[in-house]
Amino acid sequence: GQSLEQPSEVTAVEGAIVQINCTYQTSGFYGLSWYQQHDGGAPTFLSYNGLDGLEETGRFSSFLSRSDSYGYLLLQELQMKDSASYFCAARPFKAAGNKLTFGGGTRVLVKP
Amino acid sequence: NAGVMQNPRHLVRRRGQEARLRCSPMKGHSHVYWYRQLPEEGLKFMVYLQKENIIDESGMPKERFSAEFPKEGPSILRIQQVVRGDSAAYFCASSQQGQETQYFGPGTRLLVL
Repeated sequence: GQSLEQPSEVTAVEGAIVQINCTYQTSGFYGLSWYQQHDGGAPTFLSYNGLDGLEETGRFSSFLSRSDSYGYLLLQELQMKDSASYFCAARPFKAAGNKLTFGGGTRVLVKP
Repeated sequence: NAGVMQNPRHLVRRRGQEARLRCSPMKGHSHVYWYRQLPEEGLKFMVYLQKENIIDESGMPKERFSAEFPKEGPSILRIQQVVRGDSAAYFCASSQQGQETQYFGPGTRLLVL
């Protein structure tokens, strides 16, 4: 089986830093992806960690530690437009193609 | 290069009717995935298709739901005899062979009255 756990909601002010954790129980997977979804919108790919360590993409960074079954998404210099839901997703070893299992999502609310 | 296209964007059906959701993958993408999202929840995998083949339908309900990706034309997710519990957003995603990233369409929001 496979499950990914995330906090349900995080609130922060503009300019702050937010870390969204994703812990997982899985029999094995290729890597951890992160997606952003605004209300009423489509999920948009943010980053992917295939190996342990930190991946940096502008204001967003993602980290993976397989030994700890843990990853996180780091949002820096928060802006109002970052208010959205963020999902971690994993692709199981045993799955054909790129089938993804998603966490329940973390709703980030950025306040002025 | 157009992104993943889905239509209709919104669909209203009465209980017992059929719903047909269409998805055109990004140009050059041969893998199509369908996901369902209930309000305030994450996306749940339904089915993975390549041209003319269903590769993995482990997330698809056994009854009333079917999917296809014909040689020509869009992928179709078909829901027969819809019930209120089918009300959700249905997202299609596509990817290239061997690539990790999936690109999502805008979704079809199905409302069953």
